[in-house]
Amino acid sequence: GQQVMQIPQYQHVQEGEDFTTYCNSSTTLSNIQWYKQRPGGHPVFLIQLVKSGEVKKQKRLTFQFGEAKKNSSLHITATQTTDVGTYFCGWNTDKLIFGTGTRLQVFP
Amino acid sequence: DAGVTQSPTHLIKTRGQQVTLRCSPKSGHDTVSWYQQALGQGPQFIFQYYEEEERQRGNFPDRFSGHQFPNYSSELNVNALLLGDSALYLCASSLGQGANEQYFGPGTRLTVT
Repeated sequence: GQQVMQIPQYQHVQEGEDFTTYCNSSTTLSNIQWYKQRPGGHPVFLIQLVKSGEVKKQKRLTFQFGEAKKNSSLHITATQTTDVGTYFCGWNTDKLIFGTGTRLQVFP
Repeated sequence: DAGVTQSPTHLIKTRGQQVTLRCSPKSGHDTVSWYQQALGQGPQFIFQYYEEEERQRGNFPDRFSGHQFPNYSSELNVNALLLGDSALYLCASSLGQGANEQYFGPGTRLTVT
């Protein structure tokens, strides 16, 4: 079946460094959502991307949807300790199929 | 404005037992989805309820069943518990059928011994 893979699985960065997680699908995605889950917490919706090549920004976060709608990325500029958590992409097919997630650790 | 609430917070059960988890959606939402999240894994979709009917189902056995009430709240029932059912069970609410923006509750941590 269709899978949505995320890389890397883990990322450790120094505070102030940038961070990027990538979400890749074997087939075309209709749209994609991004969620953040803090340690011990629950997923929190960040954004939904629908259009091919779409780019959206939320302060230090930049989200992109690939031209072929088979991949997406989340980039964080100048990470802060508050960015710690696991970032999941989710493929919307009338049910949400989550990616494998990228766990981000930020060292002060 | 209350967000999504779930009860209980934690639960310990024995293999073979049955469990019922409860969820109240965010005010104004009419759709409830349930997810299972094993430690270190992403949430796995169990099923979704809309207009009191199961509309979508993930790859989970019939031991997992649910219900949605007229006030949009929902229950997840798991029969004949297995050790592998130990996980965080998340409820998410949204507006309208489908996987629109999901608002997650804090989850119920189920431990099967």
